[in-house]
Amino acid sequence: RKEVEQDPGPFNVPEGATVAFNCTYSNSASQSFFWYRQDCRKEPKLLMSVYSSGNEDGRFTAQLNRASQYISLLIRDSKLSDSATYLCVVIRTGANNLFFGTGTRLTVIP
Amino acid sequence: DVKVTQSSRYLVKRTGEKVFLECVQDMDHENMFWYRQDPGLGLRLIYFSYDVKMKEKGDIPEGYSVSREKKERFSLILESASTNQTSMYLCASRIGQGNTGELFFGEGSRLTVL
Repeated sequence: RKEVEQDPGPFNVPEGATVAFNCTYSNSASQSFFWYRQDCRKEPKLLMSVYSSGNEDGRFTAQLNRASQYISLLIRDSKLSDSATYLCVVIRTGANNLFFGTGTRLTVIP
Repeated sequence: DVKVTQSSRYLVKRTGEKVFLECVQDMDHENMFWYRQDPGLGLRLIYFSYDVKMKEKGDIPEGYSVSREKKERFSLILESASTNQTSMYLCASRIGQGNTGELFFGEGSRLTVL
């Protein structure tokens, strides 16, 4: 089983829509969680960390469910500029490495 | 501005050639990584280094080697390039040990092996 799994999409949503992505992780020792954003032909960049209590940054909300071993990203009021691939990243306790999901592709349509 | 710089954005090589991909970071980070990214497979870790002259194999080290002689520089070497090594190669760095710390990526090196 993969360390981190994501629905690859694509998700095609109209401007203004709300969209949510989930990401599941297999190892219960996983400790830290992040969402990265990758634009076409660009490098990934950190979008936001995911905290146990959940966190929000403008139109973006990230949540962690340790019991079910998944994290989620909610994007409200989607903009054209949100079109990108969203990568789920997990760090396992004691591991000096990050585990990436394969990414979920989002296209926001005018 | 923090920066991870990869020496070449685009390379075209022939099968059997030796290929060097260089990566330099200016953030004094201890940890550096080499990933390859392929459609449908996501980012896969080739090698990482947590200190000068230290290296550890990632998930797909076969056909690759690395060198870290200085803290700021981490090189990926393909001793004898093959067509299945055609890919986007991404270098990244991160501060210290532990579970926190953002991973900073270079812009990537797109390698085509003919």
